Amino acid sequence: SQQGEEDPQALSIQEGENATMNCSYKTSINNLQWYRQNSGRGLVHLILIRSNEREKHSGRLRVTLDTSKKSSSLLITASRAADTASYFCVYSGSARQLTFGSGTQLTVLP
Amino acid sequence: DAEITQSPRHKITETGRQVTLACHQTWNHNNMFWYRQDLGHGLRLIHYSYGVQDTNKGEVSDGYSVSRSNTEDLPLTLESAASSQTSVYFCASSPTRNSPLHFGNGTRLTVT
Repeated sequence: SQQGEEDPQALSIQEGENATMNCSYKTSINNLQWYRQNSGRGLVHLILIRSNEREKHSGRLRVTLDTSKKSSSLLITASRAADTASYFCVYSGSARQLTFGSGTQLTVLP
Repeated sequence: DAEITQSPRHKITETGRQVTLACHQTWNHNNMFWYRQDLGHGLRLIHYSYGVQDTNKGEVSDGYSVSRSNTEDLPLTLESAASSQTSVYFCASSPTRNSPLHFGNGTRLTVT
């Protein structure tokens, strides 16, 4: 399987703290995306970073990409209880099929 | 507002029955996808379509079929439901092959 791996599998932090999630993949990629999934709902797209980009920001989100290490990280700054969700990295390789990571369950405690 | 809707939200069926899950999108997207989500496996691709009359097998297509007769709909059919097909099923769409996906809210299927 070419499934990506996410680390940690679960993360629990206090409101206001930063949350960092990591994703590793096995193939060359065209781009890498991060999605959020709230309990009982579908995935929602957060941010896309292309293979020639190293860092991207969107609001409180910061994504980095290191193609030499085949890894990406998602940083959520000043977390809120509403950020509690599962976060997935999703990448597109040469076959243009999307591969989903196993997800990180983030819990933000009030 | 454009959206993607799945129905039903919950379904319980018996082993051996044929089941069809509906997916309807009003984004006018060419690409549509069906995934299943199981604990420990993340999301796995079942079938996908890049346009009307186009269908392709994904990673876990055995026991499933799809048809694409118009842009808006991609129904997923389980020909003879098996307990191993108990899962949460998500439909998604995108305008181009490298675009972000828009997901429905899923159908929870239980095969008894």
